[in-house]
Amino acid sequence: KAGVTQTPRYLIKTRGQQVTLSCSPISGHRSVSWYQQTPGQGLQFLFEYFSETQRNKGNFPGRFSGRQFSNSRSEMNVSTLELGDSALYLCASSVRRALGIGNTEAFFGQGTRLTVV
Amino acid sequence: DQQVKQNSPSLSVQEGRISILNCDYTNSMFDYFLWYKKYPAEGPTFLISISSIKDKNEDGRFTVFLNKSAKHLSLHIVPSQPGDSAVYFCAASDYFGGKLIFGQGTELSVKP
Repeated sequence: KAGVTQTPRYLIKTRGQQVTLSCSPISGHRSVSWYQQTPGQGLQFLFEYFSETQRNKGNFPGRFSGRQFSNSRSEMNVSTLELGDSALYLCASSVRRALGIGNTEAFFGQGTRLTVV
Repeated sequence: DQQVKQNSPSLSVQEGRISILNCDYTNSMFDYFLWYKKYPAEGPTFLISISSIKDKNEDGRFTVFLNKSAKHLSLHIVPSQPGDSAVYFCAASDYFGGKLIFGQGTELSVKP
């Protein structure tokens, strides 16, 4: 079974631009969540999507948004990029037995390294 | 307010010995805990998890212990191998799931 796939692996953008990152979850996984990793803040939760609906949102500005498609693939978008948005962006997928109930393991992709210059 | 804490930034262990990585949490609503291993510029790799209804879970060389009254969990690796050298993160989630809160990580170095 293929793992979580994130594209692209590396990205360089200029301040003020916007960027879209893509995530394909493990087949059969309906929950996709996004995390940002920076040296100063560690791994921080951005948001989670389940069956095309945003279920959880972290403490990030509205410039960070996401969506999930009917095939469970997800994208996240960052608009008006700032230097501080430079980070490793990680996507994780998991099997959610039912919406709002229970926990299962989350499996991560390799990440997208975004550099804002 | 850091809800999940790994107070040791680094740990060095001799090959073949036991590695013990610790994690403390403050939120009593957390009921599911996970450990991940991570290399630089890669995604975390899931190692082992434990539900709050248990106090121990084993998988091969990895054992996780949960002490709910102390809000403390630990990961034991026995025997430690040089390939175990990486950063280890503990993470926690509440009953509803979907959102993991991570500790700051502990860098484990296993020396031959």
